[in-house]
Amino acid sequence: ILNVEQSPQSLHVQEGDSTNFTCSFPSSNFYALHWYRWETAKSPEALFVMTLNGDEKKKGRISATLNTKEGYSYLYIKGSQPEDSATYLCASPGSGAGSYQLTFGKGTKLSVIP
Amino acid sequence: DAGITQSPRHKVTETGTPVTLRCHQTENHRYMYWYRQDPGHGLRLIHYSYGVKDTDKGEVSDGYSVSRSKTEDFLLTLESATSSQTSVYFCAIGTTTYEQYFGPGTRLTVT
Repeated sequence: ILNVEQSPQSLHVQEGDSTNFTCSFPSSNFYALHWYRWETAKSPEALFVMTLNGDEKKKGRISATLNTKEGYSYLYIKGSQPEDSATYLCASPGSGAGSYQLTFGKGTKLSVIP
Repeated sequence: DAGITQSPRHKVTETGTPVTLRCHQTENHRYMYWYRQDPGHGLRLIHYSYGVKDTDKGEVSDGYSVSRSKTEDFLLTLESATSSQTSVYFCAIGTTTYEQYFGPGTRLTVT
């Protein structure tokens, strides 16, 4: 089973603060890294799919970077708002291309305090 | 909206009873997955399917079986429900670019 780890497990920030968290994954046989946003009582929604080393993706105040050589990705949220409160999951395919399963990290739960 | 529905959305059942959860998609995707969500564990793969009648086990398959007799439906069966199977179950469809889209979830309580 692929080992995908996220840190921290949870995070509390004040409204307006910027924050970031980490996803680490095996760097060998890398194919893609996915970020999902998961609000309480809803289903996970895709944020980004990242495939290239050095890739940077942005959606509004949320951005992500990817380092495939060292096996990590950072998710950044600029000027956090209460509506950013959610669990952020990262996931990576197992066994490289050809295996369409994703292995998910346990997530980082972000709480933004108004 | 990826056209995925799950039924039922909520179910309470007794220990030892069989339970079947249904996932239905309208997008004709080949790959479908069943996950369970538990505190401290995130999403864990139970079973997946890569085509009609083609299924395989995931990380936590013990006590579960699946069937896929047509492209649009993927059924998850708990043969004899146990309290440890109380969870929220998510179905997902997958693409060949590894993107997955999730259904709304089914909350199952086994008493």
